[in-house]
Amino acid sequence: DAGVIQSPRHEVTEMGQEVTLRCKPISGHNSLFWYRQTMMRGLELLIYFNNNVPIDDSGMPEDRFSAKMPNASFSTLKIQPSEPRDSAVYFCASSSSSGFRINEQFFGPGTRLTVL
Amino acid sequence: GQQLNQSPQSMFIQEGEDVSMNCTSSSIFNTWLWYKQDPGEGPVLLIALYKAGELTSNGRLTAQFGITRKDSFLNISASIPSDVGIYFCAGPDSNSGYALNFGKGTSLLVTP
Repeated sequence: DAGVIQSPRHEVTEMGQEVTLRCKPISGHNSLFWYRQTMMRGLELLIYFNNNVPIDDSGMPEDRFSAKMPNASFSTLKIQPSEPRDSAVYFCASSSSSGFRINEQFFGPGTRLTVL
Repeated sequence: GQQLNQSPQSMFIQEGEDVSMNCTSSSIFNTWLWYKQDPGEGPVLLIALYKAGELTSNGRLTAQFGITRKDSFLNISASIPSDVGIYFCAGPDSNSGYALNFGKGTSLLVTP
């Protein structure tokens, strides 16, 4: 079975540019999470979708960040305009939302973003 | 979110040795999860624990949910070079129930 798929794996961009990260969750999973990982702060939840609806975006750093989930098999995380402090590894994870299984989150390989 | 403290921060062992690492919290958790992250990859779920006192194995890995519900242990028996990586414990945030709080990880190096 295919796991969570993310693209691109690496992105290098200049400050001020728009960046779009993509995620395809595991088929049948109806919970999707975007996390950011940095050395300083570890893994942090940015936004959580359930059945394609954003439930909690309290972790989104600021208005420059936005996320969408137009259907059950695709989500995007957009940063516009990007800044050097956005440099991090961004992970998408998915899980089944049935009871405690929501916590068994399966992560994609991540997108390593570098903003110059 | 609740803080998870992992120890040791890093381990450097020889192939064939057994490894033990732990995770503690000042808060009670109803679920403990252990993940492994290889360089350049995402965390991979190893073991999930749901009951205090529960002992669960996955191949050479064994994890236990502490009786107090404030700690968990992960043991790796007969380590091999591919066990190298960072091991994270995680538990659900008490406010949301769905967000995971992660420890800072235990970095494991195994020499042949």
